[in-house]
Amino acid sequence: ETGVTQTPRHLVMGMTNKKSLKCEQHLGHNAMYWYKQSAKKPLELMFVYSLEERVENNSVPSRFSPECPNSSHLFLHLHTLQPEDSALYLCASSHDPGVTRTEAFFGQGTRLTVV
Amino acid sequence: TQLLEQSPQFLSIQEGENLTVYCNSSSVFSSLQWYRQEPGEGPVLLVTVVTGGEVKKLKRLTFQFGDARKDSSLHITAAQPGDTGLYLCAGAGSARQLTFGSGTQLTVLP
Repeated sequence: ETGVTQTPRHLVMGMTNKKSLKCEQHLGHNAMYWYKQSAKKPLELMFVYSLEERVENNSVPSRFSPECPNSSHLFLHLHTLQPEDSALYLCASSHDPGVTRTEAFFGQGTRLTVV
Repeated sequence: TQLLEQSPQFLSIQEGENLTVYCNSSSVFSSLQWYRQEPGEGPVLLVTVVTGGEVKKLKRLTFQFGDARKDSSLHITAAQPGDTGLYLCAGAGSARQLTFGSGTQLTVLP
């Protein structure tokens, strides 16, 4: 079992659907992240949670809604997405992002296709 | 805003060749990580360098952190097809998050 687990691995959804991505970490970390990775683009940080509080929201459209019920679980709720939202969504965890040595451990990602 | 520039963006070489990938910034980072990502998977942490001038070796991979902690390099000796992947550098700095470079897509041909 990997340290960070994402489900589902693949998701196809229509523009009017509502779905959720799930991430679970078993590493004892207290920070969790959502990244978006599109073809030929750098990793884009979407949200950061530290100690279950959102500390970063990089101007992400409101059709993406994160939830962090505890330090081990992170969700990304999706609704009324657009085709350009199709991408690989990666979850990561780390120790407190404020410390000097912040190493991120990633899940395998969810490949999202919006049709 | 802290930025990391990686070069080259794409690299295709023959098995057995050596290569170097660069990661540069005008900002100082407290630590820098290198990751490798395979298609359809998440990035996997290879190494973290913390001290200016630090050199770390991982089998055929050599990582170096610049003296001023603004840049880093990854050198692969005698590349193998299994080294194929997207190599990402990431820096930890003043922001409460990692700053990722745009990546170097390496293809090693048999």
